[in-house]
Amino acid sequence: QVQLVESGGGVVQPGGSLRLSCAASGFTFSSYGMHWVRQAPGKGLEWVAFIRYDGSNKYYADSVKGRFTISRDNSKNTLYLQMNSLRAEDTAVYYCARYHDAFDIWGQGTMVTVSS
Amino acid sequence: DIVMTQTPLSSPVTLGQPASISCRSSQSLVHSDGNTYLSWLQQRPGQPPRLLIYKISNRFSGVPDRFSGSGAGTDFTLKISRVEAEDVGVYYCMQATQFPWTFGQGTKVEIK
Repeated sequence: QVQLVESGGGVVQPGGSLRLSCAASGFTFSSYGMHWVRQAPGKGLEWVAFIRYDGSNKYYADSVKGRFTISRDNSKNTLYLQMNSLRAEDTAVYYCARYHDAFDIWGQGTMVTVSS
Repeated sequence: DIVMTQTPLSSPVTLGQPASISCRSSQSLVHSDGNTYLSWLQQRPGQPPRLLIYKISNRFSGVPDRFSGSGAGTDFTLKISRVEAEDVGVYYCMQATQFPWTFGQGTKVEIK
């Protein structure tokens, strides 16, 4: 079935780095734009980044621009989020989501905690 | 950035009764392609968000017909015709017309 599975979350110190992965299955990954969305503990949803189906265009939220990089490997059906210079305010559950007129498929999320 | 404002932020509802959530955007959500990329998401406790409605009023696959969306321009509404216990959760509107994509603050629907 159509599925997205995130991995790579964990605890990291401020200023550290982490790379998240999102493995897609059950659909033609290379045909869809993909996003990362995060949710801080007890808070609402925040859009983080987008990558076009072929990787040719990328957009970022101002809060992560210059620190996070979204990428994809269509041969591996995998989406990535490289997170550098992490801050306490980046602590959140990170979801990957497929876009087709809306966020129609979501992963279960992976928790990132930035703490010393 | 487009600001999405939801009201109310909390909605205690009696089982079987209707519920309505309003979402207002700070500017028109009509895209240059003529579509309005306003969607509604439901997040049950401990779960990831789930798509309910896309492009204002289109119900996503598997979504019960008690959920409906309406509106235009800057004012949108999600209605639940008869609230069931499984509808408890937080509901978000979001716009995908212009980057950065933005969400409303969320409306918590709970049973009285």
